[in-house]
Amino acid sequence: GAVVSQHPSRVICKSGTSVKIECRSLDFQATTMFWYRQFPKQSLMLMATSNEGSKATYEQGVEKDKFLINHASLTLSTLTVTSAHPEDSSFYICSARTLAGDEQFFGPGTRLTVL
Amino acid sequence: GQNIDQPTEMTATEGAIVQINCTYQTSGFNGLFWYQQHAGEAPTFLSYNVLDGLEEKGRFSSFLSRSKGYSYLLLKELQMKDSASYLCAAMDSNYQLIWGAGTKLIIKP
Repeated sequence: GAVVSQHPSRVICKSGTSVKIECRSLDFQATTMFWYRQFPKQSLMLMATSNEGSKATYEQGVEKDKFLINHASLTLSTLTVTSAHPEDSSFYICSARTLAGDEQFFGPGTRLTVL
Repeated sequence: GQNIDQPTEMTATEGAIVQINCTYQTSGFNGLFWYQQHAGEAPTFLSYNVLDGLEEKGRFSSFLSRSKGYSYLLLKELQMKDSASYLCAAMDSNYQLIWGAGTKLIIKP
């Protein structure tokens, strides 16, 4: 099956620093990738939809200047958490949708801890 | 390697009961999640099992057998709105989620 990877899998950073998370579709191309945030035992909260070659679409309440998304190619999207604060500590999950748009595959997640 | 298997598609009748199975192989284990996802929407958390046994939550129940690497999601009194994809995901020893491909559940009147 299709594989989506995320890097890093775990990151610990100091408050005020920026953290970049990569999401890659390893064996398929994805014009659309999604970024989610998950709190323990809760639903995935969609943060933004990333479209290759265009600006991301952010969900209401998500600060686009704080969560920078770049989708430079059909296999890579990045999420940069700028000036991270402890409340940004969470599990960030990406997913990628196939070009045909009929399947969506999820990444393993990145655990961010901001001290 | 790490792997999750669940059926691609299932069909059931409104008012009936359906069981969606999931088998997993992971490096270590920190629990198993079930999510419901309607087309075009974000997945919704249904259940989390980390101990063996059955957990019931309304019309939905989830079962886990760690020794068998097996879980199922049981949906009772099916309603048309239950038509969705159901995702099984296991968390490994590094707290990484290993996702199944999802089971598309079709409910017929």
